[in-house]
Amino acid sequence: GNSVTQMEGPVTLSEEAFLTINCTYTATGYPSLFWYVQYPGEGLQLLLKATKADDKGSNKGFEATYRKETTSFHLEKGSVQVSDSAVYFCALIDTGRRALTFGSGTRLQVQP
Amino acid sequence: EAEVAQSPRYKITEKSQAVAFWCDPISGHATLYWYRQILGQGPELLVQFQDESVVDDSQLPKDRFSAERLKGVDSTLKIQPAELGDSAMYLCASSLGDGSQETQYFGPGTRLLVL
Repeated sequence: GNSVTQMEGPVTLSEEAFLTINCTYTATGYPSLFWYVQYPGEGLQLLLKATKADDKGSNKGFEATYRKETTSFHLEKGSVQVSDSAVYFCALIDTGRRALTFGSGTRLQVQP
Repeated sequence: EAEVAQSPRYKITEKSQAVAFWCDPISGHATLYWYRQILGQGPELLVQFQDESVVDDSQLPKDRFSAERLKGVDSTLKIQPAELGDSAMYLCASSLGDGSQETQYFGPGTRLLVL
């Protein structure tokens, strides 16, 4: 079956530090990959997505590259801000399925 | 910007009682999803609608959960009777279609506490 594995949190960084949140996946087909972010008290918001191998998704300074050879979709940001503090979810939709399969989420805490 | 609406935002109930959640998707979105998010975990699909038809309810506990989308627009998720283990966040999402490249837009969720 499909699955998504994320690094456990919380990840605690100082403002302007470099961020990496690891995500690997298992899928039977050719999935599309997503990063969603959940701010405290809010629903999930799409951060970025990539629909085929070697695609790079980017938004608000965050980037992730779809690596088929390593089945990975790691999230990166060069300089985090306090306002980036949230829970980040990696997810996929596999061909033949319609719903998202999520990882367990990684909490990011950015300190001033 | 159009949003997915959900109500109520919070619900506290006692076990064995009935609860219902409502979702209004983004206008024009044919596909509607209900997910359940247990604290500390990622959301998991309960049921998916395409217009008014259920296309996936394989993970819905049908002995106690029911969902409907009668006119293919808004949707209701019901639990009868509620159990302690049902305490979770219930998220509704919608998308234009059901392809693997479609973006799903999420509502703010309903947080349920069963006492």
